[in-house]
Amino acid sequence: GESVGLHLPTLSVQEGDNSIINCAYSNSASDYFIWYKQESGKGPQFIIDIRSNMDKRQGQRVTVLLNKTVKHLSLQIAATQPGDSAVYFCAEKRGSNYKLTFGKGTLLTVNP
Amino acid sequence: DAGVIQSPRHEVTEMGQEVTLRCKPISGHDYLFWYRQTMMRGLELLIYFNNNVPIDDSGMPEDRFSAKMPNASFSTLKIQPSEPRDSAVYFCASSLLTSGASEAFFGQGTRLTVV
Repeated sequence: GESVGLHLPTLSVQEGDNSIINCAYSNSASDYFIWYKQESGKGPQFIIDIRSNMDKRQGQRVTVLLNKTVKHLSLQIAATQPGDSAVYFCAEKRGSNYKLTFGKGTLLTVNP
Repeated sequence: DAGVIQSPRHEVTEMGQEVTLRCKPISGHDYLFWYRQTMMRGLELLIYFNNNVPIDDSGMPEDRFSAKMPNASFSTLKIQPSEPRDSAVYFCASSLLTSGASEAFFGQGTRLTVV
């Protein structure tokens, strides 16, 4: 959702494990969702998107799941690698308004 | 394509000074966004343009902030006068609307410090 604060949720995994990053959104009218990855000192980078008429979408090593009933979005990363260490943001959009609303992010740390 | 290009990468200025941040979007993109990122508030949309026209500036915090897009390849975000609370990373992003997709490509950001 849109909540912000001083502390990022963190997830620490071992290299090779699967990672699941969760995001709750607040606006039931949102119809498009995106996951972004932000490495230290860089801008957010698009990973994968999903429309509200879908509940699952797969990319290369990543899967996004959308549960509209509970307004929950998740990003699954298979065989997590050290290069996946970053902050991951979900973002939502509603209708023809191109304003993306970002969640506060989750810090993923991959231990070798 | 070199992606979205922002300048400067870092800016340190004294309170009260004018600051101008610059952005060159990806060629051919018709949407341009300015975001601000802080630890307290995360990523906030300040303003966005479509075909060089400002569409939504509801995120601009105060009249001290202004943004322009004189042509399709250049945009500026100006803060005058700057204040310490304006310290943040400012991102520019651009996108091309195709079938309703909204993937935005972000620049590397400008880290602004106002002392």
